[in-house]
Amino acid sequence: GEDVEQSLFLSVREGDSSVINCTYTDSSSTYLYWYKQEPGAGLQLLTYIFSNMDMKQDQRLTVLLNKKDKHLSLRIADTQTGDSAIYFCAERDYNTGKLIFGQGTTLQVKP
Amino acid sequence: SQTIHQWPATLVQPVGSPLSLECTVEGTSNPNLYWYRQAAGRGLQLLFYSVGIGQISSEVPQNLSASRPQDRQFILSSKKLLLSDSGFYLCAWKGGDPPLHFGNGTRLTVT
Repeated sequence: GEDVEQSLFLSVREGDSSVINCTYTDSSSTYLYWYKQEPGAGLQLLTYIFSNMDMKQDQRLTVLLNKKDKHLSLRIADTQTGDSAIYFCAERDYNTGKLIFGQGTTLQVKP
Repeated sequence: SQTIHQWPATLVQPVGSPLSLECTVEGTSNPNLYWYRQAAGRGLQLLFYSVGIGQISSEVPQNLSASRPQDRQFILSSKKLLLSDSGFYLCAWKGGDPPLHFGNGTRLTVT
C-alpha cells in the first residue's frame, strides 16, 4: 500500500533556510501536499504541487518534486520563530482521492 | 465561504464511558467528510470517511464508529472508551482542490 515517510525533527536558527524532506511510494499520485500544524491546532494547507511539475515557489516556500526518486521537499527561506510547527507531507491516492499523510516533521526554530 | 466546526476542543473521559464528537461544515453541500486521529508523537491516521448521508467507510478496525445523519454533520462515537482512544481527533472536508480543510481538532484524554 501507499506509504509516506518524513524525518521526525529538524532544528534551525532564525534566518537560516529549512529543508523538510519526504518520500512517497505511490507513483500514480496526482497531487502532493504540505500542511502545517501549530501546537494544539488543526492542519493548515501550506502549498501543493501537481505531479507533472518539478518546482513550485510561493513567497518564502519552495517545493521541489523528484518523481523518479519519489522525493518531495519543502524549503522555507529566512525561517522565522513563527515557522516552528509540525509539517506534514501528504500524497493523494489516485484511485480513492484520499490523502495519505507522513508522520510529520517537527521544525524547531532557535532565535 | 466554507467553514468547519469541531467540538468540544478538549475532553477528558474515564475508561468505559461513551464518546460523541461532532463536526459540522458550513457553506458547502455534499462534501466528503473525514475523521483523522493523531496519536501523541505520531502522524495522522484516517479513521472514517463519508461521501454522503448514511455512507460511512471505515479504514481501520477499532473501538470507534462514525455516523452522518445530515449532509454537513459528521459524528464520531464510542460506546466504551479505551485508554488507547486518547489522541487528537481532526475532522476534515473535501469539496475540490486544494483538498482537505481541517477543523481545529478535539484533544481527547481517556483516564
